[in-house]
Amino acid sequence: QSALTQPPSASGSPGQSVTISCTGTSSDVGGYKYVSWYQQYPGKAPKLMIYEVSKRPSGVPDRFSGSKSGNTASLTVSGLQAEDEADYYCSSYAGSRGWVFGGGTKLTVL
Amino acid sequence: EVQLVESGGGLVQPGGSLRLSCVGSGFTFSSSWMTWVRQAPGKGLEWVADIKPDGSEKSYVDSVKGRFTISRDNAKNSLHLQMNSLRVEDTAVYYCARQGDWNFEWWGQGTLVTVSS
Repeated sequence: QSALTQPPSASGSPGQSVTISCTGTSSDVGGYKYVSWYQQYPGKAPKLMIYEVSKRPSGVPDRFSGSKSGNTASLTVSGLQAEDEADYYCSSYAGSRGWVFGGGTKLTVL
Repeated sequence: EVQLVESGGGLVQPGGSLRLSCVGSGFTFSSSWMTWVRQAPGKGLEWVADIKPDGSEKSYVDSVKGRFTISRDNAKNSLHLQMNSLRVEDTAVYYCARQGDWNFEWWGQGTLVTVSS
């Protein structure tokens, strides 16, 4: 059982927006601004998409955005494209526990 | 270009040992926090351990404390994970990653560890 809770699946049609949630506690997501999101294609390594809740690394499309409210962080993908179909994982710093991840969400573009 | 290349994975019996290595290039290895993250087959990601740039601080997930040891050799731009007393549940792809500003900025391609009799 993962420390952070994500929905197992999410879906949307091309051009639509989809939001993936990531729920933790006040000891991780709610206690720190260090929430990040990773995209992973089957058989490939994860790729950093969002860090510090809402910052985008260079090269990540601005269709990807992040936010946080209380103990829940969210990743929103706007203007869905076929290439966005992948698994998405959230992560948070958790103090003395180190780092925790969510169980992952499989995003399907219909 | 940042590159992280893991090696050392393989098949090992329960109770056995294995040493993973990761060589980094394209960035200042000696100034970077480094991390091991694993992913069991068909499962999610799990942080395993990390180490400060000078090697003076190390942290582990509870499930590997006392069995795994993370280390580094900055002269060789290499990161290691010594895994002892391996269990079936340690079976996973092990990734090394460079930590950026409170995130896992760059990842290697991973090395598969299979613990089975």
